[in-house]
Amino acid sequence: EDQVTQSPEALRLQEGESSSLNCSYTVSGLRGLFWYRQDPGKGPEFLFTLYSAGEEKEKERLKATLTKKESFLHITAPKPEDSATYLCAVQAGSGGGADGLTFGKGTHLIIQP
Amino acid sequence: EAGVAQSPRYKIIEKRQSVAFWCNPISGHATLYWYQQILGQGPKLLIQFQNNGVVDDSQLPKDRFSAERLKGVDSTLKIQPAKLEDSAVYLCASSRLLNTEAFFGQGTRLTVV
Repeated sequence: EDQVTQSPEALRLQEGESSSLNCSYTVSGLRGLFWYRQDPGKGPEFLFTLYSAGEEKEKERLKATLTKKESFLHITAPKPEDSATYLCAVQAGSGGGADGLTFGKGTHLIIQP
Repeated sequence: EAGVAQSPRYKIIEKRQSVAFWCNPISGHATLYWYQQILGQGPKLLIQFQNNGVVDDSQLPKDRFSAERLKGVDSTLKIQPAKLEDSAVYLCASSRLLNTEAFFGQGTRLTVV
């Protein structure tokens, strides 16, 4: 069974204080690892897809990295508008066209001014 | 490009009643997903459609949940009869191709009392 564990569950940072969120996973044949951002009362918003160990992707103050067992979402000099829940999900190579995601519980990030 | 549309946004029903949710995916997206997100958890896949055919419904509680996708476009998810533990946000998502990022709607928040 595919499993995704995110840590910490919650993180409070001061504006400008850089940090990293962790996503560890076990999956039978990783097809892709996804990061989403979710604001209260809204659906998840796509951020990144990583496909192979060593891959990195950046978008503004966010950088996602991938190893064979975990992924990190690095947040550099965050601003209050970066406050949200960050969700990690894996897509397994189960075949047959099934490509639904298995999500972790998320990290609730609060950036204080 | 218009996003994934869902209705209603909120629904309150009594246990043992029935309820239906509607989803209109992004135009041209062949793959459609329904996820259930319980408060404090990550989304959980219920069912995946490819055009109007079911690809994966392994986590759908088929004794009470049903879903259909008419003509490969809109989709409806139904719960009959509802239980208290069905209280959650029901998210619809779509993707243009298999194994690519999915885009989520805002969800329908269901409260069963």
